[in-house]
Amino acid sequence: DADVTQTPRNRITKTGKRIMLECSQTKGHDRMYWYRQDPGLGLQLIYYSFDVKDINKGEISDGYSVSRQAQAKFSLSLESAIPNQTALYFCATSDSDRLYGYTFGSGTRLTVV
Amino acid sequence: SQKIEQNSEALNIQEGKTATLTCNYTNYSPAYLQWYRQDPGRGPVFLLLIRENEKEKRKERLKVTFDTTLKQSLFHITASQPADSATYLCAPGGYSTLTFGKGTMLLVSP
Repeated sequence: DADVTQTPRNRITKTGKRIMLECSQTKGHDRMYWYRQDPGLGLQLIYYSFDVKDINKGEISDGYSVSRQAQAKFSLSLESAIPNQTALYFCATSDSDRLYGYTFGSGTRLTVV
Repeated sequence: SQKIEQNSEALNIQEGKTATLTCNYTNYSPAYLQWYRQDPGRGPVFLLLIRENEKEKRKERLKVTFDTTLKQSLFHITASQPADSATYLCAPGGYSTLTFGKGTMLLVSP
């Protein structure tokens, strides 16, 4: 099993729909992150959480919300999807000491039509 | 504002040569810097971390340098192979989260 599992892998949704992307990790790390990647723009941080009771906005949080249901689970929601949220979304986890790098999931390719 | 610059043009080299990728940053004093590999449509994979008090780090065919005066990191792959073809991202780290560069694509031809 992968260390970081994202579901779904691909999703097409309509404008205005609410959608949730799920992420779970088996690394036992406290820190979890959601990034968005667009061609030519690199990875942009949406939200991050350093423990179950800690949620922080990243650089592009507008239009998104998150929930940290447990140490191992961190979900991202688009309350009302719009076409410019079409992107590749990655969840990641890291240790609190930052001795090692981030472990990323395989990504969710989201298309909003 | 913080800025990370990686060469946006792809680097084309022949198999067996050394590839050198550059990461420059401004308005930043990172405590460490990480390098990742990303294949198309897949999540980045961590390669190496170097701390501000380290000049150089090696792992197999990979070598990273970190010059905090120049605000630059160099990433080298020696004896490059076609399987090394990918996009390489640098990520200077502070005390909370990582910010990633846009990456440089490396193409190694046989």
